[in-house]
Amino acid sequence: EADIYQTPRYLVIGTGKKITLECSQTMGHDKMYWYQQDPGMELHLIHYSYGVNSTEKGDLSSESTVSRIRTEHFPLTLESARPSHTSQYLCASSEETTENIQYFGAGTRLSVL
Amino acid sequence: AQSVSQHNHHVILSEAASLELGCNYSYGGTVNLFWYVQYPGQHLQLLLKYFSGDPLVKGIKGFEAEFIKSKFSFNLRKPSVQWSDTAEYFCAVLSYNTDKLIFGTGTRLQVFP
Repeated sequence: EADIYQTPRYLVIGTGKKITLECSQTMGHDKMYWYQQDPGMELHLIHYSYGVNSTEKGDLSSESTVSRIRTEHFPLTLESARPSHTSQYLCASSEETTENIQYFGAGTRLSVL
Repeated sequence: AQSVSQHNHHVILSEAASLELGCNYSYGGTVNLFWYVQYPGQHLQLLLKYFSGDPLVKGIKGFEAEFIKSKFSFNLRKPSVQWSDTAEYFCAVLSYNTDKLIFGTGTRLQVFP
């Protein structure tokens, strides 16, 4: 069982608000990821990190930003939320191996009004 | 670009029926293959994986998958489904070149008693 936590689970906010989605893991994994998932669609990688002070953009363009100051923490921030940001955001982590088995958090379902 | 196709978007079965979910991928190089499952209200979790060796792999809860390299396929099977198998199933492919996990769109399985 993976120990990766996301908060909040659900968030409803108004347009223009700044929000931070939290993701923490207690497994000491170097690699962490953020995915965006819309209903009936595949997961799209929006950000990833290979360790502290490492962040990269994923395949899907996103207006969000991430930081990795500590190994266990990988928050995602939207400076000014818009209705187009409404989606589910999934955080994952994996060990530094070629197998790259990713462990997922429960997700944050974001609705921007 | 790499892609993963899951041909069955929604599958409805009665308990004890046999299950086969299709998964095809487009990448020709060395890959790791995964099936993830998401039960209602829960996080994505690993069902089974293939890295090398025997192309028939067994996972949790009686699931198995067969890697057919010539067909670029990794189909998921279960001889007799249970009501508790109701969930969404995602096929995913990791290419060694990109080190990124590419997901299919998922298959929603509903099993009725």
